[in-house]
Amino acid sequence: SQELEQSPQSLIVQEGKNLTINCTSSKTLYGLYWYKQKYGEGLIFLMMLQKGGEEKSHEKITAKLDEKKQQSSLHITASQPSHAGIYLCGADKGTNAGGTSYGKLTFGQGTILTVHP
Amino acid sequence: GAVVSQHPSWVICKSGTSVKIECRSLDFQATTMFWYRQFPKQSLMLMATSNEGSKATYEQGVEKDKFLINHASLTLSTLTVTSAHPEDSSFYICSARPPYEGEKLFFGSGTQLSVL
Repeated sequence: SQELEQSPQSLIVQEGKNLTINCTSSKTLYGLYWYKQKYGEGLIFLMMLQKGGEEKSHEKITAKLDEKKQQSSLHITASQPSHAGIYLCGADKGTNAGGTSYGKLTFGQGTILTVHP
Repeated sequence: GAVVSQHPSWVICKSGTSVKIECRSLDFQATTMFWYRQFPKQSLMLMATSNEGSKATYEQGVEKDKFLINHASLTLSTLTVTSAHPEDSSFYICSARPPYEGEKLFFGSGTQLSVL
């Protein structure tokens, strides 16, 4: 079964600093999702990557998927206290014959981000 | 705004009782929805795939008789925790994929279940 390893497990930064969270898979990633969660709350969709070498950005967050499709990174520029939370990477378990992902995700263990003002 | 709605947000019940959690797709029809469970300070684990009009598909190790899933309409899937015990206390959350959002998956707000 596919396993996702996230690093670091926790991260404490000062407001304004840049940071990177990594997500490494033991197998090829068919679809890699990044979500943000606060304890006891739902997941907020951030980005989804599918192609090797793909990079997407939204506001101050950039996500990349390497060419081999086994590693992804999430980079936050000029972090703010509002960025604090748990960041989860999730990988789809595969695709059907038509190439559409199943939608069943395996998640990494999460990275707890704290941003001090 | 939210595209997947979940209810209730939290529930407390006595051991031995059953609890039903609802997951609704808003403004779209979802033939498939997914149910996850999250224990404190742990990641999400896929429990089952809810299929409209047919039986749910359960992941290995998930008890079908304990976690009953019903997907009776294209906008509603329900998860019933039967004869709940304290070890069933967890955060349950569902997801669905709006057809107009490509392969993006959206999650509900989750349900915190506490069994006394």
